[in-house]
Amino acid sequence: SQTIHQWPATLVQPVGSPLSLECTVEGTSNPNLYWYRQAAGRGLQLLFYSVGIGQISSEVPQNLSASRPQDRQFILSSKKLLLSDSGFYLCAWGEGSNQPQHFGDGTRLSIL
Amino acid sequence: GDSVTQMEGPVTLSEEAFLTINCTYTATGYPSLFWYVQYPGEGLQLLLKATKADDKGSNKGFEATYRKETTSFHLEKGSVQVSDSAVYFCALSGNTGGFKTIFGAGTRLFVKA
Repeated sequence: SQTIHQWPATLVQPVGSPLSLECTVEGTSNPNLYWYRQAAGRGLQLLFYSVGIGQISSEVPQNLSASRPQDRQFILSSKKLLLSDSGFYLCAWGEGSNQPQHFGDGTRLSIL
Repeated sequence: GDSVTQMEGPVTLSEEAFLTINCTYTATGYPSLFWYVQYPGEGLQLLLKATKADDKGSNKGFEATYRKETTSFHLEKGSVQVSDSAVYFCALSGNTGGFKTIFGAGTRLFVKA
């Protein structure tokens, strides 16, 4: 069966520090991969998605970036975090159009 | 473009009450429709889905019917439990958005014992 791993579960970082969040999927090949952010008590904001290795689509211009170095690995990065980057970050994978997405357990990021 | 609108929460119910969370969508084609549930501190889990008009998705006592004539996909449960307290998201995919899923804003449900 397919599983998705996301880490770390929680992270506290100072303003201006770099960020790297990692997501890996097991049990499937060539998945579509997604990064979302969820502000406290709010809905989901799609940040990036990828349909293949090295292919990244950005939905919202900001100081975050994403990379997909391997088929089942998706990384969210920042060179310098802002206070507004605080939130709950969710990685998800899907098999394609008309199919559901499957989510990781999320990373709660707090910026001090 | 495509969109999903859910009733605003929070919804507060007593245990064993009947639940309805309204969801309507805007789409020009034939998307698949989903309900996801998010428990506190966790990611979203797929609750149920429907892929074509008049399909009924069901899981764990929850049901929703794909109504193309009213562009709706309302979530219902006959008797809620305290453990159903969570945030519920209505969503669609497979239409003009390509590989993206369009999520509603979410509806928080509180169930009191």
